[in-house]
Amino acid sequence: DGGITQSPKYLFRKEGQNVTLSCEQNLNHDAMYWYRQDPGQGLRLIYYSQIVNDFQKGDIAEGYSVSREKKESFPLTVTSAQKNPTAFYLCASSPGTSGGGNTQYFGPGTRLTVL
Amino acid sequence: AQTVTQSQPEMSVQEAETVTLSCTYDTSESDYYLFWYKQPPSRQMILVIRQEAYKQQNATENRFSVNFQKAAKSFSLKISDSQLGDAAMYFCAYRRILAAGNKLTFGGGTRVLVKP
Repeated sequence: DGGITQSPKYLFRKEGQNVTLSCEQNLNHDAMYWYRQDPGQGLRLIYYSQIVNDFQKGDIAEGYSVSREKKESFPLTVTSAQKNPTAFYLCASSPGTSGGGNTQYFGPGTRLTVL
Repeated sequence: AQTVTQSQPEMSVQEAETVTLSCTYDTSESDYYLFWYKQPPSRQMILVIRQEAYKQQNATENRFSVNFQKAAKSFSLKISDSQLGDAAMYFCAYRRILAAGNKLTFGGGTRVLVKP
C-alpha cells in the first residue's frame, strides 16, 4: 500500500532530552513537510524539504532539526532547546512544490508528551 | 501575510441533514489554491476538496461541495446528507500559486458534531 507512515504513535520524553520522530513515504514524492498542531488550533509548518539533501525552515523551526538523506525519509528531531514540545506532530508529502497538482497528503501523526 | 479564519468553533447537524462551514481568507494574490481537510478522531488529516482560484466553477466531491466567492474571499464547505462518519474537525487551508516550499496556511478549525 502506498502512503505515509509515522512512528511512534505516542512518544514520551523527559525534559532536556532530544527525541527523533520518524516519517517515511513510499509515494515517490519529492517534497516532505513537518507540522505541529496544538490543542484546538490549526497546523503550523516547522520544516520542509523539496528535494533530497535540502530543507528549509518553516514558521516555527526554533528548537527543531531535520535531515533528508533519502527521498522516502524525513526525520524530525525535537531538541532540548524547544521550550514547549508537547504537541501533535504531522508529517506530509507532495509530488513537488509547484503547480496545481501538488496537494499535500498527511501521515497519521505522533503525539509527543514531555514529562 | 496570508491569514485564514474559521469563525465557527463548532457546528452541530442532524444525520442526513446539511451543514455549511465558513472560511474567509486574506490575500493580495489573484491566483491561489484553497483546501478543506478533515481530521477525524484518529487525527490523520484527510483532503476533502480543493479549489483553484482561477476556476469559477465550484468544486464538488460526492456529498461535499464548496461555495467559492473570490471577491468576498470566502470559501465555505457544504456537507450534504450528513453521516456519522463526517464527525470531525474541519480545516480550511490556503496556498499561493508560487508559495515557497508549497506552504499551506491553515485556519483554526471547526468541529462538526453529527447527531443520530
